[in-house]
Amino acid sequence: ELKVEQNPLFLSMQEGKNYTIYCNYSTTSDRLYWYRQDPGKSLESLFVLLSNGAVKQEGRLMASLDTKARLSTLHITAAVHDLSATYFCAALSRDSNYQLIWGAGTKLIIKP
Amino acid sequence: NAGVTQTPKFQVLKTGQSMTLQCAQDMNHEYMSWYRQDPGMGLRLIHYSVGAGITDQGEVPNGYNVSRSTTEDFPLRLLSAAPSQTSVYFCASSRGVQGVNEQFFGPGTRLTVL
Repeated sequence: ELKVEQNPLFLSMQEGKNYTIYCNYSTTSDRLYWYRQDPGKSLESLFVLLSNGAVKQEGRLMASLDTKARLSTLHITAAVHDLSATYFCAALSRDSNYQLIWGAGTKLIIKP
Repeated sequence: NAGVTQTPKFQVLKTGQSMTLQCAQDMNHEYMSWYRQDPGMGLRLIHYSVGAGITDQGEVPNGYNVSRSTTEDFPLRLLSAAPSQTSVYFCASSRGVQGVNEQFFGPGTRLTVL
């Protein structure tokens, strides 16, 4: 059974710093997703990672996927306050008829 | 395009009441799904559909029914509400008949069961 674990679950950081959110998954999955959720709002797709070694970047966010280590990372470069949100990763489960299995989310607070 | 719409935004029910959460999308997506979001638990799949007339259970289907009579609409019915169903419910849709493409989410329905 596929399980997805994110860490940390909570992160408070200063503007201008770099940090990484980690997403580990327990069994084989060949597609990994990152979403963003602002407080009280819906979820917005950030990245879909399709293969081992995939790297995608959008502004100050960069996501990567290592299928051998069963690990995806979301790296934040020179954080700004607008990036404060909760970030979720989700992995595709072939065993469960292609359902997405979600991590618990990382609540990121960026202080000016 | 309105994208994915959900109604109502907020709802309070008493234990034992039934209701339907509405979901519609105007992107002609084959795949639609319902999730519930509880604090600290991420999203859990309730039911999903790969096209009109086809539905299947997700991880937490008990107490919920769905139907998909058209491509656009995917209502979620609570049969007899229980306090454990207090949650935020999100409807999502995506291209293709499997949920492998990025999903577009509705604004959510915040449900409280007393």
